[in-house]
Amino acid sequence: AQSVSQHNHHVILSEAASLELGCNYSYGGTVNLFWYVQYPGQHLQLLLKYFSGDPLVKGIKGFEAEFIKSKFSFNLRKPSVQWSDTAEYFCASKRGNNRLAFGKGNQVVVIP
Amino acid sequence: DAGVIQSPRHEVTEMGQEVTLRCKPISGHNSLFWYRQTMMRGLELLIYFNNNVPIDDSGMPEDRFSAKMPNASFSTLKIQPSEPRDSAVYFCASSLGDGEAFFGQGTRLTVV
Repeated sequence: AQSVSQHNHHVILSEAASLELGCNYSYGGTVNLFWYVQYPGQHLQLLLKYFSGDPLVKGIKGFEAEFIKSKFSFNLRKPSVQWSDTAEYFCASKRGNNRLAFGKGNQVVVIP
Repeated sequence: DAGVIQSPRHEVTEMGQEVTLRCKPISGHNSLFWYRQTMMRGLELLIYFNNNVPIDDSGMPEDRFSAKMPNASFSTLKIQPSEPRDSAVYFCASSLGDGEAFFGQGTRLTVV
């Protein structure tokens, strides 16, 4: 079964620090990859997605993610975080007709 | 499109009562998902439908939970009888084949 692993479930950092959240998926072949963000008290929203093409994907709010096929990874990055980036971040993958599989999420707290 | 619409937004009920959560997916989407989110267990997939047919209900906790999708524009998640441990936020999401899921605002269920 497909699975997604996210590391460092809780991350606390100061404003202007750089953020990187790791995501690994469990299989090779064609896969669609996603990062979702959930702000406190809200629903999940799409941050960015990768289907094919340039492995460096730019998303909203200054986020980007890099697809590295050889490492089965799709890590999320932001060079300089803001207090408003405090949220939970979920990585997800979809392969073929299989359902969308989510990781367990990263709780990120940005201290002003 | 108004997005995925869930109702009610909040539900408070007494233990033993029946609870019905409703979801209207985005028009044209062929997959629908029900998720449950709690602090302890995070985001859990309960069931998902493809073209109105339940594909995977292995996440449904027990027989007290049931879900239906009588047509492409409506789904329900029912809990009967409800218990305090069912208190959570329940999200509905819909998607096309590419996997990008669009989430509703969620229903916050409190069972007292």
